Amino acid sequence: DGGITQSPKYLFRKEGQNVTLSCEQNLNHDAMYWYRQDPGQGLRLIYYSQIVNDFQKGDIAEGYSVSREKKESFPLTVTSAQKNPTAFYLCASSPWDPGTGELFFGEGSRLTVL
Amino acid sequence: AQTVTQSQPEMSVQEAETVTLSCTYDTSESNYYLFWYKQPPSRQMILVIRQEAYKQQNATENRFSVNFQKAAKSFSLKISDSQLGDTAMYFCAFMSLSGTYKYIFGTGTRLKVLA
Repeated sequence: DGGITQSPKYLFRKEGQNVTLSCEQNLNHDAMYWYRQDPGQGLRLIYYSQIVNDFQKGDIAEGYSVSREKKESFPLTVTSAQKNPTAFYLCASSPWDPGTGELFFGEGSRLTVL
Repeated sequence: AQTVTQSQPEMSVQEAETVTLSCTYDTSESNYYLFWYKQPPSRQMILVIRQEAYKQQNATENRFSVNFQKAAKSFSLKISDSQLGDTAMYFCAFMSLSGTYKYIFGTGTRLKVLA
């Protein structure tokens, strides 16, 4: 079945540690996105990538980094520079040609900083 | 800059009843898409319904329909014959069709369907 897989679903981290969240898609989509979801704030864009080896900062990129070495993969690293990293993280993908414009989402990763 | 506003943080509805979720947006663009996404307690977000701004006819998908008022920049979602499985967080979203195809999400409305 085609879809987006995020791992891990739950992750605990000590302050000062970097952590990497995985996102893999087999939908052959060009564009991939990382969103952060906090209660009462909706979804905020962290980074997005339109093609391999290229990515752009979103609205809240500080303290995060990404790579796009393969079309199927778009990992997100939450660095120690992120002041408030405890949140729910959603990965999404879409065809770059907007077409229907639909975003396809993974099930999310919940990061808790202890 | 575009904004999307959902003014109802929480709502509840009795099973089989009808409920309307509100959404307003602000943009200076004329060509865009609007969406309603559903995020059930299991967390995977899925598309409920989509509206193209150039279409005057309101979109409908089975029990879900929208009331799109372009001049008023309003995009409400009506759920008819509500079912327990409709319990979820609902997000209104705007997508620009100029340039970056950037999405803007509202803050969400948590809907609870009561048995």
